[in-house]
Amino acid sequence: GAGVSQSPSNKVTEKGKDVELRCDPISGHTALYWYRQSLGQGLEFLIYFQGNSAPDKSGLPSDRFSAERTGGSVSTLTIQRTQQEDSAVYLCASSLGREGYREQFFGPGTRLTVL
Amino acid sequence: SQQGEEDPQALSIQEGENATMNCSYKTSINNLQWYRQNSGRGLVHLILIRSNEREKHSGRLRVTLDTSKKSSSLLITASRAADTASYFCATVTGTASKLTFGTGTRLQVTL
Repeated sequence: GAGVSQSPSNKVTEKGKDVELRCDPISGHTALYWYRQSLGQGLEFLIYFQGNSAPDKSGLPSDRFSAERTGGSVSTLTIQRTQQEDSAVYLCASSLGREGYREQFFGPGTRLTVL
Repeated sequence: SQQGEEDPQALSIQEGENATMNCSYKTSINNLQWYRQNSGRGLVHLILIRSNEREKHSGRLRVTLDTSKKSSSLLITASRAADTASYFCATVTGTASKLTFGTGTRLQVTL
């Protein structure tokens, strides 16, 4: 079956512009996660959605970052007024359930470059 | 923030040799997972070990967990060139479902 897909695969933007990154999880997966990977910070958790529960936003680095998940499926991560330090690979993952005992399936990521 | 450290940061071996990577973490965990990453993009889940388990096997992979030392190791036996990748440990703590990753080990397997 299809895995987690993300778009775009690469995004170059100018400092101060807004960007939207999209994630399509595996069908039937109720949990969806966003992480980012950068040279300086390694792999970091950003936000987690589970069903209709309030998302866990504890990893979002600033209020410029927001995410939504529509209809319990597709998710969009929005970064407003991008800064150069936002440059990173943004990874989306999904899993079957809310428990942390489930493996997470990752998408190929979106490489964001802020000039 | 990252849960812990992995060592070595980089490892270069020849095909057929075994590769051992270590992971240390800081807080009590529910489980620990190992992931592989090729070419700096998507991660692939390898194996999950729960906090009440001490050892787990999957094919050529063997994972151990020592909760008293807050450490885990990943052994890849009879390595192949295709095993060349970065390997990350990740922990799940408390009731949270998010993964907290280690710093990763870059493995290079040469012919």
